[in-house]
Amino acid sequence: DVKVTQSSRYLVKRTGEKVFLECVQDMDHENMFWYRQDPGLGLRLIYFSYDVKMKEKGDIPEGYSVSREKKERFSLILESASTNQTSMYLCASSLRGEKLFFGSGTQLSVL
Amino acid sequence: QKEVEQNSGPLSVPEGAIASLNCTYSDRGSQSFFWYRQYSGKSPELIMSIYSNGDKEDGRFTAQLNKASQYVSLLIRDSQPSDSATYLCAVNTYYGNNRLAFGKGNQVVVIP
Repeated sequence: DVKVTQSSRYLVKRTGEKVFLECVQDMDHENMFWYRQDPGLGLRLIYFSYDVKMKEKGDIPEGYSVSREKKERFSLILESASTNQTSMYLCASSLRGEKLFFGSGTQLSVL
Repeated sequence: QKEVEQNSGPLSVPEGAIASLNCTYSDRGSQSFFWYRQYSGKSPELIMSIYSNGDKEDGRFTAQLNKASQYVSLLIRDSQPSDSATYLCAVNTYYGNNRLAFGKGNQVVVIP
């Protein structure tokens, strides 16, 4: 089975902090994605990557950056956390962009 | 127009009944369609994928695709309380390296 692991299940940070969310997949998938999910707004794509060191902006990239130095790892960075970035963050991976396999999510609270 | 729309509000069905969910999409070039189930507090999990017009059955789930009308639906037969969840429709929009567009989801509540 594909395993997508997110480093933290719950995270509490202060406004202005730099936040790193880590995601690791063990199936050699080319594509990796970061989504955030908010009530009433559904899943929104922040960034995705289709290869090492490659990245593409999704629908809501503002305030975020990403890093993919190795194929199995995709990091989401909040440069200066703000309260409106309080959300559930979901990492996903796929082979050739088809079926997505999701991690268990990180509930981030920015105070 | 949003890429993927799921317009129905929460759906309550009695146990044993059929739950029917609908989804429309805007990109005529879309080729791949998925239904994900998400339990409260959990991440989405894939339950059905469909690529060609018609019906695809998997256990109690049937996905239906009509590309001419640009809709995809999900039927849950013999609904069980364990089917109570939010169901997300996802469509491969075929631009930008195969990213999926998701609908906002439909909540299904199965009443024992």
